[in-house]
Amino acid sequence: QVTLRESGPALVKPTQTLTLTCTFSGFSLSTSGMCIGWIRQPPGKALEWLARIDWDDEKYSSTSVKSRLTISRDTSKNQVVLEMTNADPSDTATYFCARINTHAGTWNAFDVWGQGTTVTVSA
Amino acid sequence: EIVLTQSPGTLSVSLGERVTLSCRAGQTVSSTSLAWYQQKPGQAPRLLIYGTSTRATGIPDRFSGSGSGTDFTLTISRLEPEDFAVYFCQHYAYSSYTFGQGTKLEV
Repeated sequence: QVTLRESGPALVKPTQTLTLTCTFSGFSLSTSGMCIGWIRQPPGKALEWLARIDWDDEKYSSTSVKSRLTISRDTSKNQVVLEMTNADPSDTATYFCARINTHAGTWNAFDVWGQGTTVTVSA
Repeated sequence: EIVLTQSPGTLSVSLGERVTLSCRAGQTVSSTSLAWYQQKPGQAPRLLIYGTSTRATGIPDRFSGSGSGTDFTLTISRLEPEDFAVYFCQHYAYSSYTFGQGTKLEV
């Protein structure tokens, strides 16, 4: 069974660095075709894709936040970490991690999601 | 970046009704790269449809997707109580993902 779980601080002050961790099970990020993406959702608003990391350590980020994001992985711990610098109140959102399996029919969609973690950016 | 526009924003519907949700892309997109998700309050999105018309694992056959070019549709043939939720379309191209703003189904 594939599961993902996000963790991180519930409250971050403006200008601080927000660090979120996605811990997953049921698959390996070393397996060809496996990727993990981060998506956020401000309260009552739409989903916004942020970043993706692949089985071969290729990384992709949204142009809107690219300069502030770092995505990394620890395959031994089955974890992916997202760092966002210079946090702003507009970054207040629920952050989801989700799997992408580029070797499946669902290759261009997020087929399994974590439950999300809510982050508030406020002084 | 491709913009996806969903309409309507909110749809008032009744149990047993047939419902059609629209997702329009700002330019022609590949039908293999269009997906739909369902999200209930306080929950993560769930993949319903990928490749425009293929149901994801475990999705009931009352959900169907269609479309091509710039216009895509999610149809629910007979609304069940558990279908009241927000529905998002999503597109993938050039290692980037975009979502529509969502359509909320309410009683």
